[in-house]
Amino acid sequence: GAVVSQHPSWVICKSGTSVKIECRSLDFQATTMFWYRQFPKQSLMLMATSNEGSKATYEQGVEKDKFLINHASLTLSTLTVTSAHPEDSSFYICSARLAGGPQDTQYFGPGTRLTVL
Amino acid sequence: GESVGLHLPTLSVQEGDNSIINCAYSNSASDYFIWYKQESGKGPQFIIDIRSNMDKRQGQRVTVLLNKTVKHLSLQIAATQPGDSAVYFCAEKQGGYQKVTFGTGTKLQVIP
Repeated sequence: GAVVSQHPSWVICKSGTSVKIECRSLDFQATTMFWYRQFPKQSLMLMATSNEGSKATYEQGVEKDKFLINHASLTLSTLTVTSAHPEDSSFYICSARLAGGPQDTQYFGPGTRLTVL
Repeated sequence: GESVGLHLPTLSVQEGDNSIINCAYSNSASDYFIWYKQESGKGPQFIIDIRSNMDKRQGQRVTVLLNKTVKHLSLQIAATQPGDSAVYFCAEKQGGYQKVTFGTGTKLQVIP
């Protein structure tokens, strides 16, 4: 149980286009989802915390107008990278917190590799 | 700002030996710690966790030790296997907050 999926697993796009990444909790409801970015050989950096039905909370230095997050249901959160540029190329990982579960429990998705040409 | 860091970026061990991965944290308010394993191209996988009211916790082939006095966390892997090769991250969380802060990571290489 407690499986989180991401789609797509990888995407290549041209500079200036927008890319949407989906994060789904497959067998549980997630009131809170988190979006991380990971550059090669580096750690995961939290970008934003997404609560179902409300606006996301972005970490310092993360542009909310560039990284649009929508958490419209208890099983789906989306991250849209708008007007992507090569420096946005990274591994994007989401995690989900089980609704009603222990506050500390986060389940991670498999990640999405974004390459911007 | 406060952060979680690791002493060794790369650790090589012989198959069958025990591995010890270390982590130093600086936020004294952190009360929950987690070790994750990340294989290449995949998301982090939960290994084991420990709360600040404990100093040791054991799982299957893994043990986490917490020394709050020196703000040090370690992950011990017994009888290391090739499948243990991955990057290991420690992470910390402060009670009342949802944010989990990841350390820099240690790459574990198991030599057959």
